[in-house]
Amino acid sequence: AQSVTQPDIHITVSEGASLELRCNYSYGATPYLFWYVQSPGQGLQLLLKYFSGDTLVQGIKGFEAEFKRSQSSFNLRKPSVHWSDAAEYFCAVAEDYSSNTGKLIFGQGTTLQVKP
Amino acid sequence: KAGVTQTPRYLIKTRGQQVTLSCSPISGHRSVSWYQQTPGQGLQFLFEYFSETQRNKGNFPGRFSGRQFSNSRSEMNVSTLELGDSALYLCASTSSPGQGPYEQYFGPGTRLTVT
Repeated sequence: AQSVTQPDIHITVSEGASLELRCNYSYGATPYLFWYVQSPGQGLQLLLKYFSGDTLVQGIKGFEAEFKRSQSSFNLRKPSVHWSDAAEYFCAVAEDYSSNTGKLIFGQGTTLQVKP
Repeated sequence: KAGVTQTPRYLIKTRGQQVTLSCSPISGHRSVSWYQQTPGQGLQFLFEYFSETQRNKGNFPGRFSGRQFSNSRSEMNVSTLELGDSALYLCASTSSPGQGPYEQYFGPGTRLTVT
């Protein structure tokens, strides 16, 4: 069964510092991968997605992620963090697009705290 | 385009009662998925509806049910509420399932508290 692991439950970075959030997935075929962000009391906002092609994908708010098949990873990065980036971040994999269902498997999430 | 809307945003119910949550997808979207989010279990898939048919179901008891209407709006119902049903219930809509990769757009959620 597919699964997603986010090894870091909580990360604290200083404003202006770089950020990398880790995500590892377990999936037999080519995965469809997503990163979502959730601010307190809000729903999920899609940051970026990987379906195929270039393994470095750009998203909104200056985020990017790199798909590494050999490491089963899809880490999220940002060169310079802003205080407004403080939120919870979720990595997700689509269960099985070939069966035409919309089920996403989510990691447990990483809470990002930004120090001034 | 308006985003995914969910009503109500907040709800307090008593154990044993039943509750109905509503989700209106983005205009033109025909697929709606529901997720439960709790601190302990994280985000878990409940079910997905497409063209008024349930296409997939997560591992939840039969107390959790849903339906979709011809205008793609969806409702989920939880009967005989338990304390453990307290959660944020998120709805997501999708534009074109079954045609390759697609994105899910989430609503703000309904916060259900069971006392």
